[in-house]
Amino acid sequence: DAGVTQSPTHLIKTRGQQVTLRCSPISGHKSVSWYQQVLGQGPQFIFQYYEKEERGRGNFPDRFSARQFPNYSSELNVNALLLGDSALYLCASSFSSEDTQYFGPGTRLTVL
Amino acid sequence: GENVEQHPSTLSVQEGDSAVIKCTYSDSASNYFPWYKQELGKRPQLIIDIRSNVGEKKDQRIAVTLNKTAKHFSLHITETQPEDSAVYFCAVPQGGSEKLVFGKGTKLTVNP
Repeated sequence: DAGVTQSPTHLIKTRGQQVTLRCSPISGHKSVSWYQQVLGQGPQFIFQYYEKEERGRGNFPDRFSARQFPNYSSELNVNALLLGDSALYLCASSFSSEDTQYFGPGTRLTVL
Repeated sequence: GENVEQHPSTLSVQEGDSAVIKCTYSDSASNYFPWYKQELGKRPQLIIDIRSNVGEKKDQRIAVTLNKTAKHFSLHITETQPEDSAVYFCAVPQGGSEKLVFGKGTKLTVNP
C-alpha cells in the first residue's frame, strides 16, 4: 500500500531559477495540498487542488503556482527563486478536500 | 484567519511519565483537530485526530481531548518511551476549509 510520494528528494538551485516539484497521492485520493515548512516552524499552506481545480490558496506570491493532472498527481512550480524559498516542501493527499491529510516525505529545496 | 497557539514549545520528561501538549484556536466553526508527529528529517505523521462531535478519543497510549466551549484541545501521551521523542504539531482547518493551520510545534524529549 503505497503512501504519498514526492520527487525529487533534494534539490539545489540558485537565485532566479525556476523549480518544479512533483507529488503522487495515495491511490484513490483525489485531493492534493502543498505546504512549505521552514526549519523550526510548522507547515504553511500553499495550495489545495481537488478534482483538478484549485480549492484554496495560502498567502504566497504569484511566483508559486500548481496544477493537478487527470491521474490526481500534482506539480508545484516556483519561479524566480529567492533565498527565502529554501525549505521543505510537503505534499499531502486526502480522499476529498475536507478529509484527513496524509503527508509525503517532502522535497528539500536549497536556494543558493 | 485562524490563529493556533501551541504550548509548551519544548517538553522534557522521564521515560514512563505522561506528556501533555495543548493547543488553542480562534475559529469556533472549526470541527476537525488532528495531531501530527514529525521525527527529524521525516514527514509529519498523523497520530490521532478528533472531530467536534466527541470530547475525547483514545488510541493505546495516545489520547486527544477537546473543549469546544473554551476552544482548546490537548494531546496526552502516557507511559512515554524514548521513541516518542519528536516534534508534535496540532492543526486546525481554517474556517472549516481544507487549509490546515498548524501550531508552532512542541519538541518532546523522553529521557531514558
